[in-house]
Amino acid sequence: GENVEQHPSTLSVQEGDSAVIKCTYSDSASNYFPWYKQELGKRPQLIIDIRSNVGEKKDQRIAVTLNKTAKHFSLHITETQPEDSAVYFCAATPRGAGTALIFGKGTTLSVSS
Amino acid sequence: DSGVTQTPKHLITATGQRVTLRCSPRSGDLSVYWYQQSLDQGLQFLIQYYNGEERAKGNILERFSAQQFPDLHSELNLSSLELGDSALYFCASSVDGVSGNTIYFGEGSWLTVV
Repeated sequence: GENVEQHPSTLSVQEGDSAVIKCTYSDSASNYFPWYKQELGKRPQLIIDIRSNVGEKKDQRIAVTLNKTAKHFSLHITETQPEDSAVYFCAATPRGAGTALIFGKGTTLSVSS
Repeated sequence: DSGVTQTPKHLITATGQRVTLRCSPRSGDLSVYWYQQSLDQGLQFLIQYYNGEERAKGNILERFSAQQFPDLHSELNLSSLELGDSALYFCASSVDGVSGNTIYFGEGSWLTVV
């Protein structure tokens, strides 16, 4: 089945710095790659997604890049703020899982002011 | 508020017992997904239902089962509970069975097995 690897598991940055989280996937048939943010004790919430026919997508301070050949995608957060502190999950939609998301193990981002 | 409703929010039960978690998807959504989140395992996909039919299975134990009813609400049944089943169980929904549609999560049901 699909294996989604996510790195790093923890990331600490200073307010205003950039943060980058990277994921790799194994199933070349995966065609949808969302990123979710989960605050402590809350539900995961979609923050940005990218489809396989696009290489990059931006939404204000957040961007995602996709390299289908290398089977990896990354989340970039610029000008980080303390409220960006949360756990971030990448996901992919492989064959054999219907339309379910298979998630990486998450990255705990801490932004200190 | 995602529009996905889960009950109960918290549940404490003993080992060996059986519990049922309930989920109402967003209005109009046909697909329901169940996920288990424990501290060291991240978000584990359990099972997907689409319009009443099982669509895909993930890492769901044989002690667990689920179903989706004609009104599209879903239930996850957990039996012969073990301490290791303590986790946060999320239900999520999407509009249909097409990859790429946003999947919305409920607030989760916290299960503690003692």
